[in-house]
Amino acid sequence: EAGVAQSPRYKIIEKRQSVAFWCNPISGHATLYWYQQILGQGPKLLIQFQNNGVVDDSQLPKDRFSAERLKGVDSTLKIQPAKLEDSAVYLCASSSEVGGWETQYFGPGTRLLVL
Amino acid sequence: AQSVTQLGSHVSVSEGALVLLRCNYSSSVPPYLFWYVQYPNQGLQLLLKYTSAATLVKGINGFEAEFKKSETSFHLTKPSAHMSDAAEYFCAVSGFGNEKLTFGTGTRLTIIP
Repeated sequence: EAGVAQSPRYKIIEKRQSVAFWCNPISGHATLYWYQQILGQGPKLLIQFQNNGVVDDSQLPKDRFSAERLKGVDSTLKIQPAKLEDSAVYLCASSSEVGGWETQYFGPGTRLLVL
Repeated sequence: AQSVTQLGSHVSVSEGALVLLRCNYSSSVPPYLFWYVQYPNQGLQLLLKYTSAATLVKGINGFEAEFKKSETSFHLTKPSAHMSDAAEYFCAVSGFGNEKLTFGTGTRLTIIP
């Protein structure tokens, strides 16, 4: 079974530029998550989708971050414009159902450096 | 609100020695608890999880953890460390329903040959 795929793996941009990350979850997984992991910290949830609907985006900085999951499969996370403090690893995860007990499966992440 | 505290951001043990990584949680509802491992430049991989069944949970790679409600703890142990165990370990908590997964700050485990 293929795991969660993410691209690109690395991205370097200058502040005020825009950037987009792509995630393809495990086939059949209805729930998709985007996390931000700043160096030295644990992952922090940015947004959670159930199929193509948003379940939780309470920690998403909506003035600069946006995410979509068209057709309930792939997802894209965008930052526009980027700030220095956005430098982090962006992790995508998926699970088969919504529920606190569900195991989340993580992709390898996209490492973003904002100069 | 839920949270976890991982005591010790860095832990070093000798190869073959006991591994003990500490995690204490705070939760207003019965918790679900997880340990994930992260190898360099990789995503997180589930080691084990507690979902209110047996309090002693066995996971992959010889790791296990015990849920102790009275101590609000979920420490991770392995009897004998191997070089391949060197990684970052994250404890996480969620709750019944759609409580989001909240991670600790992680513990970096170093194995001394």
